Amino acid sequence: EVQLVESGGGLVQPGGSLRLSCTASGFTLSSKYMTWVRQAPGKGLEWVSVMHNGGNSYYADSVKGRFTISRDSSKNTLYLQMNSLRVEDTAVYYCASLVLSWGQGTLVTVSS
Amino acid sequence: QAVVTQEPSLTVSPGGTVTLTCGSSTGAVTSGHYPYWFQQKPGQAPRTLIYDTSVKHSWTPARFSGSLLGGKAALTLSGAQPEDEADYYCLLSYTGARPVFGGGTKLTVL
Repeated sequence: EVQLVESGGGLVQPGGSLRLSCTASGFTLSSKYMTWVRQAPGKGLEWVSVMHNGGNSYYADSVKGRFTISRDSSKNTLYLQMNSLRVEDTAVYYCASLVLSWGQGTLVTVSS
Repeated sequence: QAVVTQEPSLTVSPGGTVTLTCGSSTGAVTSGHYPYWFQQKPGQAPRTLIYDTSVKHSWTPARFSGSLLGGKAALTLSGAQPEDEADYYCLLSYTGARPVFGGGTKLTVL
């Protein structure tokens, strides 16, 4: 069964950092385009970042220079390192292979 | 950055047919935008219904179909069921730019 499980969310102060993890089962994560999507409370979906199967990565302008996507093939896990967090980064963060499956999401709250 | 436009809300009667559309501020939507459609029910994660304009996922009910219509991507629901009440989002890919989600359509089955 294909499954994605995110972890690492929580409460952090503005300017702080968090690392989200997304562990895949049922498929090889590094063979797919893997995407992070976020959803602020009561709002729509926002594309955040993607890592292609070849290793290239791309970011939304709103997070470029602050967020870094990476993966560990040995752990079949995708990461999102989030630095210099802002109040407006508060959202549920989903990882997804858009043609395969979505995770259940992890909540990131940036507040003092 | 391109703006992707969806109807904010639509209502369909049970058993009825409705078409949701997805337009781009840059011009006509084509297969080269690789349109996706996602369904999200309250309190749940989104799930992919359609990708590459019209390709269905294994779990996508047959009553959903994707197409290009009048310069937009379209999601047609034929024979609406109460369980189809949800938010629907499209996503368009742009050459040399980042993918963009539409604002979502809240579909009511009533």
